[in-house]
Amino acid sequence: ETGVTQTPRHLVMGMTNKKSLKCEQHLGHNAMYWYKQSAKKPLELMFVYSLEERVENNSVPSRFSPECPNSSHLFLHLHTLQPEDSALYLCASSQADRDADIQYFGAGTRLSVL
Amino acid sequence: GDSVTQMEGPVTLSEEAFLTINCTYTATGYPSLFWYVQYPGEGLQLLLKATKADDKGSNKGFEATYRKETTSFHLEKGSVQVSDSAVYFCALNPGRGYQKVTFGTGTKLQVIP
Repeated sequence: ETGVTQTPRHLVMGMTNKKSLKCEQHLGHNAMYWYKQSAKKPLELMFVYSLEERVENNSVPSRFSPECPNSSHLFLHLHTLQPEDSALYLCASSQADRDADIQYFGAGTRLSVL
Repeated sequence: GDSVTQMEGPVTLSEEAFLTINCTYTATGYPSLFWYVQYPGEGLQLLLKATKADDKGSNKGFEATYRKETTSFHLEKGSVQVSDSAVYFCALNPGRGYQKVTFGTGTKLQVIP
């Protein structure tokens, strides 16, 4: 398998649930990203991991907790979410030491919070 | 901070029509510029890029020229097809270290037969 794979593709959860989103990249990249995509808003960068170290956290609420156990895997742990957290969550990867390099995206997880 | 502004959609065109999607940016230094495309049910994928002023990126009949004097990177295609229906995102990468890319809001294109 190649590219960036995200699971699950769809997730429905209640506000008291705990769930995790998974991302796996098979491109040998050393940086991974979580984005939130909501209708009519720019993609919101949530977290960046470079060389397995979190280097960016854009004021994301603590109910979102990322984890990067190695350079190929990225998780987003979710707990006590709010309905406004319903969105498409996209994972991406890139090679951080190349200028102007391309980000490769997964197909996303469509999250609905009831 | 960096920002990208692109035209509001949706844009509806007939097949074989000419397409322009406007994009302007604000950034310090010399960013690289990108167009990404998102087909229904998929993630974003790179369509084309330009890394310096006056560069022209092109792919699949789409073109965009990096205009530093007008801080623009408009996307054009001479003859659109139904298969081009998607959401198009303009983006910039300041090019420092890991890729802190700034995306626009996206422009939905619908091409009708």
